[in-house]
Amino acid sequence: DGGITQSPKYLFRKEGQNVTLSCEQNLNHDAMYWYRQDPGQGLRLIYYSQIVNDFQKGDIAEGYSVSREKKESFPLTVTSAQKNPTAFYLCASKPPGVGNQPQHFGDGTRLSIL
Amino acid sequence: GQQVMQIPQYQHVQEGEDFTTYCNSSTTLSNIQWYKQRPGGHPVFLIQLVKSGEVKKQKRLTFQFGEAKKNSSLHITATQTTDVGTYFCAPSGSARQLTFGSGTQLTVLP
Repeated sequence: DGGITQSPKYLFRKEGQNVTLSCEQNLNHDAMYWYRQDPGQGLRLIYYSQIVNDFQKGDIAEGYSVSREKKESFPLTVTSAQKNPTAFYLCASKPPGVGNQPQHFGDGTRLSIL
Repeated sequence: GQQVMQIPQYQHVQEGEDFTTYCNSSTTLSNIQWYKQRPGGHPVFLIQLVKSGEVKKQKRLTFQFGEAKKNSSLHITATQTTDVGTYFCAPSGSARQLTFGSGTQLTVLP
């Protein structure tokens, strides 16, 4: 069954520690996205990638880094520079095609600071 | 990305009542998508509107795109407990990224 897999579902970070959130898709989608969602808020774009080996900053990229070495994978690293990392992180992908295609989301990772 | 205001932020309705959420922009939108997020879940795509004045229906849900393509609405007729969740509008100013509204959190009281 095709889809987007995010892991882990819950993650705890100590002060000054980098953590990496995994996002894997087997939908053969070119575009992938990372969003951050705070309680009662909408989704804010962190980074996105239209193609392998290329990615762009979103609206809130500071304190985060990504890589896109494979089409299927788009991991997000939350660095120690991100001072308020506690949030719900959602990964999404989008199929190719003319116009704006709908995004497919993973189940998310909830990150908390210890 | 496009900036949008979504209202209301919260809405509590009695089961069977209608519900409407609005999405407003100060600039013209090329298209707009709507998503639903159940509590504890992830957003799920509902529909995309592209044409000025477009109206689309999905069972009890009616989606509208304004004539000026600056606003959109989602109306649910006779709400059910399964409608509970947060509804987001997500306009696109380019083909590459969406800007999500802050969402309307719907609670349906049995």
